[in-house]
Amino acid sequence: GAGVSQSPSNKVTEKGKDVELRCDPISGHTALYWYRQSLGQGLEFLIYFQGNSAPDKSGLPSDRFSAERTGGSVSTLTIQRTQQEDSAVYLCASTPGGAGTGAFFGQGTRLTVV
Amino acid sequence: KNQVEQSPQSLIILEGKNCTLQCNYTVSPFSNLRWYKQDTGRGPVSLTIMTFSENTKSNGRYTATLDADTKQSSLHITASQLSDSASYICVVRAAGNKLTFGGGTRVLVKP
Repeated sequence: GAGVSQSPSNKVTEKGKDVELRCDPISGHTALYWYRQSLGQGLEFLIYFQGNSAPDKSGLPSDRFSAERTGGSVSTLTIQRTQQEDSAVYLCASTPGGAGTGAFFGQGTRLTVV
Repeated sequence: KNQVEQSPQSLIILEGKNCTLQCNYTVSPFSNLRWYKQDTGRGPVSLTIMTFSENTKSNGRYTATLDADTKQSSLHITASQLSDSASYICVVRAAGNKLTFGGGTRVLVKP
């Protein structure tokens, strides 16, 4: 596709359930970021993938959160045993690299834990 | 540690007034800085990009400034409109290509 695609766009889940959020970056983009944005809050960095390097996981808030990026393309963010405080919009961004390029964002996945 | 700090966290302004958002960064070595606008329920969209040699750049009613010496940038919104209500995010790229995102400033324009 022409842009970064995230799915699902909305997800409502029961507390304690696991969820998987998907991000399809723009083809050829080497870097991929996951962020979350809680209601009324700013962007919170979660994880960063760059090429074949080890991901920067420094932003993951707990061990219930994990992410993978298979084949340098699609990424999945998994949240296990979801809690109500996990409710947020999860944003994915990718960049092709190169100094002149900016980040291309997906529309986000709105996660609601009830 | 590379950091990007934005202020204020939020502000409310009356339609037609001007406002200025601040972005301070510690990213090094610096490559460029972008301001993004994020409408509610949408992904962020790029407004301007500033490189090391640029001091000021405008995009319509949005004017960004950059002081590479003090590592500060500002985004000035002139004659605000209701459609300017959004979050504004400052993103700094390091020379190694990694991006560092600020937390954003939420702007609410009231009639």
